[in-house]
Amino acid sequence: GAGVSQSPSNKVTEKGKDVELRCDPISGHTALYWYRQSLGQGLEFLIYFQGNSAPDKSGLPSDRFSAERTGGSVSTLTIQRTQQEDSAVYLCASSPTGAGEVTDTQYFGPGTRLTVL
Amino acid sequence: RKEVEQDPGPFNVPEGATVAFNCTYSNSASQSFFWYRQDCRKEPKLLMSVYSSGNEDGRFTAQLNRASQYISLLIRDSKLSDSATYLCVVRRDTGRRALTFGSGTRLQVQP
Repeated sequence: GAGVSQSPSNKVTEKGKDVELRCDPISGHTALYWYRQSLGQGLEFLIYFQGNSAPDKSGLPSDRFSAERTGGSVSTLTIQRTQQEDSAVYLCASSPTGAGEVTDTQYFGPGTRLTVL
Repeated sequence: RKEVEQDPGPFNVPEGATVAFNCTYSNSASQSFFWYRQDCRKEPKLLMSVYSSGNEDGRFTAQLNRASQYISLLIRDSKLSDSATYLCVVRRDTGRRALTFGSGTRLQVQP
């Protein structure tokens, strides 16, 4: 079946502009996660949506970052007034339940490579 | 100190070799453990979950030592296609359910 999809695959923007990144999770998956991976760095958690619960935003690095998930499916990550340090690959993942059992595997999308000039 | 620590490598091994990666985690609330594989410029993909009793999947064996907060991955009979970065991953099963990743260990299998 279809996996997690993300768009755009690449985004180049100028410092100070806003960007929107989109994630389509696997159909039926309750939980959705955003991570970012900077060059040569590990993956860093950003935000987590679980069903209708309030999202866990504890990983967002600043108030320029926000995300929403509409209808329990598609999610959009928005970065306002982009800075050069925002350049990274932004990865979205989804899992069936988000309930945390070891079988609740997270599946990753291909990512959006963001470059801020 | 990072929550998940790995030796970054690279590990350069010949085909057919056995190689082992180690990982330590600092948060005792971590309850689920995984190894993910990431190829260059690709997304991470689950290699295997790590169970308390240890588990094996073909040439891959994972072990967990909760007392020492230590996870290992053993790859036997290395193939060229095993060349990748191996990410040690932990997750708390209460509160935040997001994954916490190590920085990865790079493996290069040479002919």
